[in-house]
Amino acid sequence: GQNIDQPTEMTATEGAIVQINCTYQTSGFNGLFWYQQHAGEAPTFLSYNVLDGLEEKGRFSSFLSRSKGYSYLLLKELQMKDSASYLCAVRDGGGATNKLIFGTGTLLAVQP
Amino acid sequence: GAVVSQHPSRVICKSGTSVKIECRSLDFQATTMFWYRQFPKQSLMLMATSNEGSKATYEQGVEKDKFLINHASLTLSTLTVTSAHPEDSSFYICSAPTGTGRGTDTQYFGPGTRLTVL
Repeated sequence: GQNIDQPTEMTATEGAIVQINCTYQTSGFNGLFWYQQHAGEAPTFLSYNVLDGLEEKGRFSSFLSRSKGYSYLLLKELQMKDSASYLCAVRDGGGATNKLIFGTGTLLAVQP
Repeated sequence: GAVVSQHPSRVICKSGTSVKIECRSLDFQATTMFWYRQFPKQSLMLMATSNEGSKATYEQGVEKDKFLINHASLTLSTLTVTSAHPEDSSFYICSAPTGTGRGTDTQYFGPGTRLTVL
């Protein structure tokens, strides 16, 4: 079956660094995505990994290990506006039009 | 980035009525669109894949006759919740892949529709 796991909730302090983990077991794999979602809003795209390694984008970095079925999202210099849900999603097959399977989401609370 | 719109953003209806939600890709064509449902404090659950010019593909457990999907053109997909009941109250979100053929193609999400069935 398809299974994507993330911690349900995390708390971190403004200015700090936080790592959100994601493990997956899917029948196919063609890329892993991280999205940010504020309450009541649609998800917004953060990052994409298809090869092993680290992708860096400003304050956000994402890492992938395909052999371990593991990814993490690293947020640096946390700001209060980073309080949101972070969704890990796996594209389960070849082609850009293949569906995304979402994890349970991690609700991050950034405290002063 | 690509823009996807949804209409309406919020709808309240009586039990037993039908509600239509539109999803449009504004600056690109989308032969495929996806419909998700999200309950409070939960992640997105894929309901169906909307295919332009052919029938939608529904996920296991999603009733085809209750959630009617029509992909009328390359920029428009509609989801109709028929005979809505209070348990259908949820946040419905559509998405469309940009489909430029590059590996980094991602899905862009509409702003969502909050459905409340009384």
